[in-house]
This record gives sequence, C-alpha cells and structure tokens, in this order.
Amino acid sequence: SQQGEEDPQALSIQEGENATMNCSYKTSINNLQWYRQNSGRGLVHLILIRSNEREKHSGRLRVTLDTSKKSSSLLITASRAADTASYFCATGDQTGANNLFFGTGTRLTVIP
Amino acid sequence: KAGVTQTPRYLIKTRGQQVTLSCSPISGHRSVSWYQQTPGQGLQFLFEYFSETQRNKGNFPGRFSGRQFSNSRSEMNVSTLELGDSALYLCASSFGQGGTIYFGEGSWLTVV
Repeated sequence: SQQGEEDPQALSIQEGENATMNCSYKTSINNLQWYRQNSGRGLVHLILIRSNEREKHSGRLRVTLDTSKKSSSLLITASRAADTASYFCATGDQTGANNLFFGTGTRLTVIP
Repeated sequence: KAGVTQTPRYLIKTRGQQVTLSCSPISGHRSVSWYQQTPGQGLQFLFEYFSETQRNKGNFPGRFSGRQFSNSRSEMNVSTLELGDSALYLCASSFGQGGTIYFGEGSWLTVV
C-alpha cells in the first residue's frame, strides 16, 4: 500500500499563479523526493530533500519538509501551461533503501 | 548522459502468457528498481537489484521476478499473466542508496 497521501487530489489554476501541493507520510524517512508525470509518460525527478533539511529550492520550485508533522509541500511559482501534469511525492525509509513509497498524486492543470 | 531506457514501450499479451521487460540504467548506476503503476493501486514498488543481487522486494506474488546482469542492466518477468497485471511498469536507477532515483519512460503492458 502507498505510504503517502497528497492534497489536493486535483488543482486547477491560471497561468502565472502559484500552485501548492501537500504530501503527508506515515513513517520516519531518510529523504523525500518529488516527481512530475505527464500523462502516460515516465516520472521526471524534480527535487530531493533530506530528513535533516527543512527547505530546498530549484528554479521555480520550493519544497519544504516538516518531519515532526510528517509532511512536505511543493510550491511552483509563476506556473506555466507546460507545468500541467501529475505530481507525486515519494519517501525513502530510514535505512536509505531505494524502495520508494509514493503518494497518491496531485493532478495540476494550468489554464493558459 | 543517456537516461534510464526501457524496452519495449508498449506491448499486448494474452492471459496466461509471460512477459519480459528490459531496463538499461543510467551509466554508472548500480541500483535498479521496478515499480508498477495502475489507476487503482497507484505506484507500487516491485523489487530492487544492486550488483546483481535482489536487495529489496515489495509485496507482489512470485509470478513477478527480476534479475540484474553484470553490466547493471535489468529484466523483469511476469509469468501466467492476469488481466490485473495490465499496468505501466517503470524502471528506476540510482548510483547508490538514499540518493536521487531516476525513472525511465516505462513499459505499457496490456493483458487481454
């Protein structure tokens, strides 16, 4: 079964607006990774944040991690139509093993 | 540097048949893992191989198996196919443990 849940399940915004997606997980983790998936395609890695980090940036992406609440958020600023995709968080357990547990995903639609 | 390569991209099989999917990891990556993605169950971990040894295994029946070769390329096999095995099968690779995990475009399997 999946470890995480993402919220919201679907999000629709206008181009130029910011999009925030949240992820909650159940057990202690080594790291948390965010991925993007365009319809029918593979997963594109966006960002990895380690359990001892609280915030990380990459271009228009900002990820936060709160291990006390077992939650993470992904913020996409100044969204573009090309950001339309499903976004998943995935956690690796404390052992650092490479078996990821995925959230349910957020379907983001950016309207031009 | 080439990404994770999966073949074939699409295939259709009949119930009861078996199927073999192939994955070439990113050059230098020794860990290869496999995931199944379905609309109902989402993304689920199948197994991980490192240096030709299965290091982790998900909760799937024994019909699902895999192996890794000395050049880190990996194959997964599903025997006695069932309709419920229809899914996107994703291969992922990473350099070691606890780091960024990169995914391929996936192999779409349809069982009829």
